[in-house]
Amino acid sequence: KQEVTQIPAALSVPEGENLVLNCSFTDSAIYNLQWFRQDPGKGLTSLLLIQSSQREQTSGRLNASLDKSSGRSTLYIAASQPGDSATYLCAVVNTNAGKSTFGDGTTLTVKP
Amino acid sequence: GAVVSQHPSWVICKSGTSVKIECRSLDFQATTMFWYRQFPKQSLMLMATSNEGSKATYEQGVEKDKFLINHASLTLSTLTVTSAHPEDSSFYICSALIAFHEQYFGPGTRLTVT
Repeated sequence: KQEVTQIPAALSVPEGENLVLNCSFTDSAIYNLQWFRQDPGKGLTSLLLIQSSQREQTSGRLNASLDKSSGRSTLYIAASQPGDSATYLCAVVNTNAGKSTFGDGTTLTVKP
Repeated sequence: GAVVSQHPSWVICKSGTSVKIECRSLDFQATTMFWYRQFPKQSLMLMATSNEGSKATYEQGVEKDKFLINHASLTLSTLTVTSAHPEDSSFYICSALIAFHEQYFGPGTRLTVT
C-alpha cells in the first residue's frame, strides 16, 4: 500500500526566502506525482504535474523535482511572498486507474 | 485550465435528512471523477471512484448505501449523503480526471449536519 509523507508539517519563513517542501513515497512504481495548493476552506489548486518519465517541472517561481528511485519529490518556491501562505499537498498516482494517495500536507506561512 | 464546479458550496441540514452534492466538469468531459472527504487539518481521504455509465467503486470502509454516487453523464457526478448524521459533517471535494491522469478539483462543499 502506497504511503506518502510530507516534511515538514509546518513551515514559517520571512518574505523573500527560498524554500523547499519535501514529499516521499514508499512505492516507486508511480504513474505521476502532482503538487497542489489548498487555501483554508477551499478546494485544491493544481500547481505542477510530473509524469513518471520526467525529472522536473517548472512554473514561474515553482520548481518540482522527482526522483522515482529514491521515492522523493521536492517543491522549490523561490522568493516567497505572503500570498504563498497555504497548505501544499503532494499526491501520487500508482496505477492507470488514476487513484491518488495524498500526503498530509505542509502548511506554509510567509511573514511580511 | 480545466474547470470543475461543485454545488452547493455549503449546506446545513438536519439529522436524518439527505443531501445531494453535484460535481460538474464545465469545459471538458470526464469519464472518471473521484469523491474525497476532508476533516479539519487532515488530508484528503478518497471515498469512491465515479465512472460514467457504471457503478461507483467505493474504498474500503465507505458505506455505499450511505454515500450514493451517480455519474449519469460525462459532465456530472452526484454524491448523495443519505440519512445524514452529525458525524457526516465534513468537507467533500470532487475531482475529475483528464489526460495523463491529471486531476482537477472542485472548490468543495462544506456539509454541516445539526
